[in-house]
Amino acid sequence: GQQLNQSPQSMFIQEGEDVSMNCTSSSIFNTWLWYKQEPGEGPVLLIALYKAGELTSNGRLTAQFGITRKDSFLNISASIPSDVGIYFCAGQDSNYQLIWGAGTKLIIKP
Amino acid sequence: NAGVTQTPKFQVLKTGQSMTLQCAQDMNHEYMSWYRQDPGMGLRLIHYSVGAGITDQGEVPNGYNVSRSTTEDFPLRLLSAAPSQTSVYFCASMIQTSGTEQFFGPGTRLTVL
Repeated sequence: GQQLNQSPQSMFIQEGEDVSMNCTSSSIFNTWLWYKQEPGEGPVLLIALYKAGELTSNGRLTAQFGITRKDSFLNISASIPSDVGIYFCAGQDSNYQLIWGAGTKLIIKP
Repeated sequence: NAGVTQTPKFQVLKTGQSMTLQCAQDMNHEYMSWYRQDPGMGLRLIHYSVGAGITDQGEVPNGYNVSRSTTEDFPLRLLSAAPSQTSVYFCASMIQTSGTEQFFGPGTRLTVL
C-alpha cells in the first residue's frame, strides 16, 4: 500500500524549544492532515491543509502543504509540557481514504 | 454528545476465540471506520462504511468482519483470533465520506495469546 515517511521518529527537547517534523510521500494527496495522540486516547485533528502551498496556523502550531503535494511539515513554537504526545501526519487520497505516517513522539525534558 | 464510544477498553483472548468490538457514534455521521495501530506504524484501515448497509475493505481486512445495520453502530468481529491481531483498535467517524476530520474513539487494546 501507499506509505508516508514521517520524521523524526522521536524528539527529546527542552521546554521552550521550537519543534519541526515532516512527512513525505511518493504519491500526491489532495489534503494533508496533522493529528495528535495522547496516551490512552485516539488521535485528535490539529490542522487540515487543502491547497498546495497553503500555510495554516493553530495557536503555536504551523503547518504547510508542500507545493508538490507530496509533503507537509508541522512546526510547534515555544514547546510546553502539554505538547507531549505522538504527532501523526495523514494524507487523504482521491478516494477520501487516509494514509498515515508512523508518528513522531515528542518528549519534553524537564 | 458522547462522540465515538468503544467497548471494551481492554480484552485478552486465546487463539481461535471470536469476539466483537463495539463502536457507536451519536453525531449522525455518515462515514465510520476501523483502524489498527501497531508500535512504530501508522494507523492502518481495516474496514470502513460510507452509510448504513454499506461496508468496504480497507488495507488490512483479513480476519475481520463488519456490518452497518444502523447509522450509529459499526461493530468489528474477529472470527478466529490470532496473535498477529494483538493491537490497539480505533473506531472513527466522519460527518460525510468527502469530509476530512475523523473523530476517534478511545481505542480497544486487544491481546491474543
